[in-house]
Amino acid sequence: QKEVEQDPGPLSVPEGAIVSLNCTYSNSAFQYFMWYRQYSRKGPELLMYTYSSGNKEDGRFTAQVDKSSKYISLFIRDSQPSDSATYLCAMSAFSGGYNKLIFGAGTRLAVHP
Amino acid sequence: SQTIHQWPATLVQPVGSPLSLECTVEGTSNPNLYWYRQAAGRGLQLLFYSVGIGQISSEVPQNLSASRPQDRQFILSSKKLLLSDSGFYLCAWSGGTDEQYFGPGTRLTVT
Repeated sequence: QKEVEQDPGPLSVPEGAIVSLNCTYSNSAFQYFMWYRQYSRKGPELLMYTYSSGNKEDGRFTAQVDKSSKYISLFIRDSQPSDSATYLCAMSAFSGGYNKLIFGAGTRLAVHP
Repeated sequence: SQTIHQWPATLVQPVGSPLSLECTVEGTSNPNLYWYRQAAGRGLQLLFYSVGIGQISSEVPQNLSASRPQDRQFILSSKKLLLSDSGFYLCAWSGGTDEQYFGPGTRLTVT
């Protein structure tokens, strides 16, 4: 079993839809949770990060963490064609002397006009 | 503000040739530095990380090596490339917290 599971999609939605992206994890030592956005042929861009269970909002984006269920989500409201990208979840755990990031495989999102 | 550079952006190399990819970070001191590889449709695989000059840790035994000759410079090398070395190579840095910031990447095709 992978430490972090993420549905690869692709996920196709109409413009204006609410998008829900999810990851599950198995390692209860994960303490820090991040979402990255990666456009085609570009490096990942950090979107949001959170430490505790609960919700964190930034504009149209909301990150949600449920540590008891080992489940994290990213919600995108009023989705735009410019949101079309691959979204990677990442989690950190102290390992080998530093905080190591474990990434999900990424979910490809397409928002069509 | 901090910026991270990688070059070259794309590279096509024959099997058996050497490799040198460079990464530099501006606007921060003593960053942790990382090399990742991303294969098509897959997640990010950590190859090397460094917490300081000359300090390199390898995550996966392979055909590649890394060096950190200066505080904000990180180099990925190979003496002889294999077909399986093709991929998208990403450099990242982090400061005193967990989040990592990525460079634009180098797309390597080994022919």
